[in-house]
Amino acid sequence: AQSVAQPEDQVNVAEGNPLTVKCTYSVSGNPYLFWYVQYPNRGLQFLLKYITGDNLVKGSYGFEAEFNKSQTSFHLKKPSALVSDSALYFCAVRDVGGSSYKLIFGSGTRLLVRP
Amino acid sequence: GAVVSQHPSWVICKSGTSVKIECRSLDFQATTMFWYRQFPKQSLMLMATSNEGSKATYEQGVEKDKFLINHASLTLSTLTVTSAHPEDSSFYICSANPGQGDQPQHFGDGTRLSIL
Repeated sequence: AQSVAQPEDQVNVAEGNPLTVKCTYSVSGNPYLFWYVQYPNRGLQFLLKYITGDNLVKGSYGFEAEFNKSQTSFHLKKPSALVSDSALYFCAVRDVGGSSYKLIFGSGTRLLVRP
Repeated sequence: GAVVSQHPSWVICKSGTSVKIECRSLDFQATTMFWYRQFPKQSLMLMATSNEGSKATYEQGVEKDKFLINHASLTLSTLTVTSAHPEDSSFYICSANPGQGDQPQHFGDGTRLSIL
């Protein structure tokens, strides 16, 4: 069965420092991986995806993620954090069973960027 | 970019009331939409997959008669919480699938439901 793990409940970084939000996955076959961000009382906003191709994927708002097949990881990164990046981040993998394209989400990681 | 509109944003009502939440894809057709429930500081829990023109597929443990889903057109799915009680209070979020597996789902802004 497909699954996604986000081992950190919260990540704290200082503004201007690089940030990493971790995600590992378990799938049968090739993974379709996604990162979403959620601000308070809002839905999820798409940041980036990995389907195939380059292992380093660039997305919205300066975020990028590195796909590592051997480590089954898809960590989210940003070279220089902003206070406005503080939010809840979800990693997700597409369920390959059936045709509904439903997503399996990780538990979420709260990012807190301090000024 | 693709936009999903969810309405209403907030609902406060008395116990026993039925509440309808709408989810619309504004600039694309969605044969499949999804309904999630999110508890405070927790991840999204998939409740059901809404299929245009057919019955919804509910996840295990979700009461079909409690959470009625209708997907009558390619741009609209509705979730009706029937005879709502305080334990149904939650944040409900919908998403729509543009139709291809490698495309991201697009999410509505959610509905905060509070049952008094």
